Amino acid sequence: EAQVTQNPRYLITVTGKKLTVTCSQNMNHEYMSWYRQDPGLGLRQIYYSMNVEVTDKGDVPEGYKVSRKEKRNFPLILESPSPNQTSLYFCASSLSISGFGRTDTQYFGPGTRLTVL
Amino acid sequence: LAKTTQPISMDSYEGQEVNITCSHNNIATNDYITWYQQFPSQGPRFIIQGYKTKVTNEVASLFIPADRKSSTLSLPRVSLSDTAVYYCLVGGPNTGFQKLVFGTGTRLLVSP
Repeated sequence: EAQVTQNPRYLITVTGKKLTVTCSQNMNHEYMSWYRQDPGLGLRQIYYSMNVEVTDKGDVPEGYKVSRKEKRNFPLILESPSPNQTSLYFCASSLSISGFGRTDTQYFGPGTRLTVL
Repeated sequence: LAKTTQPISMDSYEGQEVNITCSHNNIATNDYITWYQQFPSQGPRFIIQGYKTKVTNEVASLFIPADRKSSTLSLPRVSLSDTAVYYCLVGGPNTGFQKLVFGTGTRLLVSP
């Protein structure tokens, strides 16, 4: 089954304790991205990756790191989490973001609810 | 990126047609218009995409006037399960496909 998986689905941690949220897709998609969703603010993009070893900042990258060493995986790293990073996180992938005028459909993972105390 | 404006919320009843309009005055020539649906605690799901005139699929229709400064998502005969948040996105290769801005969306509540 074609899907985007995220782990963990729920995480409660404390300020400053490094954590990684994994994201994996089995569709051989080139493009992957991370979003956070907060009440009243909608979905905001954190980082995105156009392909292996190609990453770039989205709208709210501060406090986050990503890597894209393999096409299927795009982990989100919080080196020193803070309470303002408490949020619902979504990973997404799409075949590509290329071509004249086409937005390839983004497939979203189930979400990771993170609480930083 | 072209900024989009949608109503914050809408209410409807089962069986009615719902039209959600999105304003995008600064849409660029190469931009496409895409709509996503999101249920609580789930990731958004693609509904429909269009460039001009009318697009229809098994879920919805998308109406885009000639000036393309707005678009309307039409959901025929909604049911309770259509209660969700609907996002309008505008983007293209020249204005940043890579950064897809979802905004706050339109919260649709369908009642019995």
